[in-house]
Amino acid sequence: QKEVEQDPGPLSVPEGAIVSLNCTYSNSAFQYFMWYRQYSRKGPELLMYTYSSGNKEDGRFTAQVDKSSKYISLFIRDSQPSDSATYLCAMSEWAAGNKLTFGGGTRVLVKP
Amino acid sequence: GAVVSQHPSWVICKSGTSVKIECRSLDFQATTMFWYRQFPKQSLMLMATSNEGSKATYEQGVEKDKFLINHASLTLSTLTVTSAHPEDSSFYICSAPMTGSFYTFGSGTRLTVV
Repeated sequence: QKEVEQDPGPLSVPEGAIVSLNCTYSNSAFQYFMWYRQYSRKGPELLMYTYSSGNKEDGRFTAQVDKSSKYISLFIRDSQPSDSATYLCAMSEWAAGNKLTFGGGTRVLVKP
Repeated sequence: GAVVSQHPSWVICKSGTSVKIECRSLDFQATTMFWYRQFPKQSLMLMATSNEGSKATYEQGVEKDKFLINHASLTLSTLTVTSAHPEDSSFYICSAPMTGSFYTFGSGTRLTVV
């Protein structure tokens, strides 16, 4: 069993729809949770960052962490074709300097 | 914001030759750099962690003599793929940790060994 599980997709939605992404994990020591967006043949770029349980909103993006269920989510409202990319969840146990554990990534396609 | 510049973005080399990939932190000092490998439609797999002025730490299963990592300064870390073979063809990405648990990534290097 992988330490972080993420549905690979692809997830296809019409423009304007809400994109719902999630990851489950097994290591209860994870405290820092991140979502990255990766376009084809590019490095990942940080979208959202959350410490411990709770919700965080930034523009069209909302990240949720439920440590009791070991489950994290990312919601993208009013999706745009430019949101078409692979979304990776990542998590770590400690503060900066510790290595990240990534999910497998979910490919998202937003159709105009 | 903090930027890690990675070069080259794409390289083709002949089997048996060596290739060097550079990652430079442009506006901050990176005492640590993580090197990842990513195969098509797969996630990032950590290969090694480099620390300025000391030996790199390799993940299990990664050949130290094949993937040479040098972190000689606070702004430069390099990965050299020695005696490359077609199975080494992959997307290589570096990443540096920032304050507040953020990590910034390079733009990646696509290596094709023919």
